[in-house]
Amino acid sequence: NAGVTQTPKFQVLKTGQSMTLQCAQDMNHNSMYWYRQDPGMGLRLIYYSASEGTTDKGEVPNGYNVSRLNKREFSLRLESAAPSQTSVYFCASSTTSGVSETQYFGPGTRLLVL
Amino acid sequence: AQRVTQPEKLLSVFKGAPVELKCNYSYSGSPELFWYVQYSRQRLQLLLRHISRESIKGFTADLNKGETSFHLKKPFAQEEDSAMYYCALSAGQGGKLIFGQGTELSVKP
Repeated sequence: NAGVTQTPKFQVLKTGQSMTLQCAQDMNHNSMYWYRQDPGMGLRLIYYSASEGTTDKGEVPNGYNVSRLNKREFSLRLESAAPSQTSVYFCASSTTSGVSETQYFGPGTRLLVL
Repeated sequence: AQRVTQPEKLLSVFKGAPVELKCNYSYSGSPELFWYVQYSRQRLQLLLRHISRESIKGFTADLNKGETSFHLKKPFAQEEDSAMYYCALSAGQGGKLIFGQGTELSVKP
């Protein structure tokens, strides 16, 4: 099992460009999450999908959109990238959205917006 | 407000010394707390969670509701424990996690 995979690994964008970060999991998990990691701030939740067909905002959703394409895939889209979105983005998944569930993380996508 | 605070950015100890990584939380409900770890060039992964009351790689963490703390402890640190450690709080429905800022543990030989 590959677990949680993310593409691309690294991306450079110019301000105003758009892009989609892809995430897929092969563990048959129901719930998926997108976080961003910034120095000194830990990980902050952008959006999550408790189950296929549902998505909800997290702590820092502004400037992002998500799509739960199917049970396996959960994409994050930046419509008009800004330098403040320079960050490392992590996708995660869990069996369910229960409060005690372990989340399994992908390797991350490093995004630089110039 | 729901918040997790890890007051130390960097903790440096010598091999064999005890280590304690501090975590304090603010949450109005009954908290579910976790420690996640990220070793160099590896993914973020679960180390332990308070509901399991387990010891993983010699680490333990006790939930102290009176002090709203969930400190991570190990009696004898090893060089392979060097990593970034994150304390996290499960914020109710949806499985959302609130992370602390992280503490980098450096264990010197």
